[in-house]
Amino acid sequence: DAGITQSPRHKVTETGTPVTLRCHQTENHRYMYWYRQDPGHGLRLIHYSYGVKDTDKGEVSDGYSVSRSKTEDFLLTLESATSSQTSVYFCAISEQNPTAYEQYFGPGTRLTVT
Amino acid sequence: ELKVEQNPLFLSMQEGKNYTIYCNYSTTSDRLYWYRQDPGKSLESLFVLLSNGAVKQEGRLMASLDTKARLSTLHITAAVHDLSATYFCADLSTAEKLVFGKGTKLTVNP
Repeated sequence: DAGITQSPRHKVTETGTPVTLRCHQTENHRYMYWYRQDPGHGLRLIHYSYGVKDTDKGEVSDGYSVSRSKTEDFLLTLESATSSQTSVYFCAISEQNPTAYEQYFGPGTRLTVT
Repeated sequence: ELKVEQNPLFLSMQEGKNYTIYCNYSTTSDRLYWYRQDPGKSLESLFVLLSNGAVKQEGRLMASLDTKARLSTLHITAAVHDLSATYFCADLSTAEKLVFGKGTKLTVNP
């Protein structure tokens, strides 16, 4: 298994509170991604990173911010959580190996916003 | 808008039968990915298809890619209960981003 951990694994929070999810990798891969998974929508990309301090938006980035100060850590922040952000969040990593860009997924974080 | 469409979205089949899941995508990409997800679990990479005509097989699953038709298929041969899961295809939309289909929930009944 790729060395990817996510924390916390489960979180319940109230509307309006800030929340930070952490993704940690031990593979030294260049690319890191945050997805959310909701019934009927598959996986949708929130933000991704192509290197330390290099990030870009995905399909559903509104209400989310990210930071990557070290290769191994990619943080996802919900500045003011809303009920629509209740979801399962997956982190993924990939490397150009050689051109496959195959992504490996972490175990997921189940977030409930009440 | 980049799209990846899978069908069917739900598939109930009997053990021992064959079936195919279809994945249509809208880009000109020559790379297509298949993942498996068990309930409450993460996604597991099954196949990476890197060129037109690519075919890969693992046990009872075989995936193929036709870039001219923008179509990938996941064929299940002689299904067994252990194959029950949700299967996702994903298209490489740019050099580093995947676009996922909505998934096909497969249930294999005894």
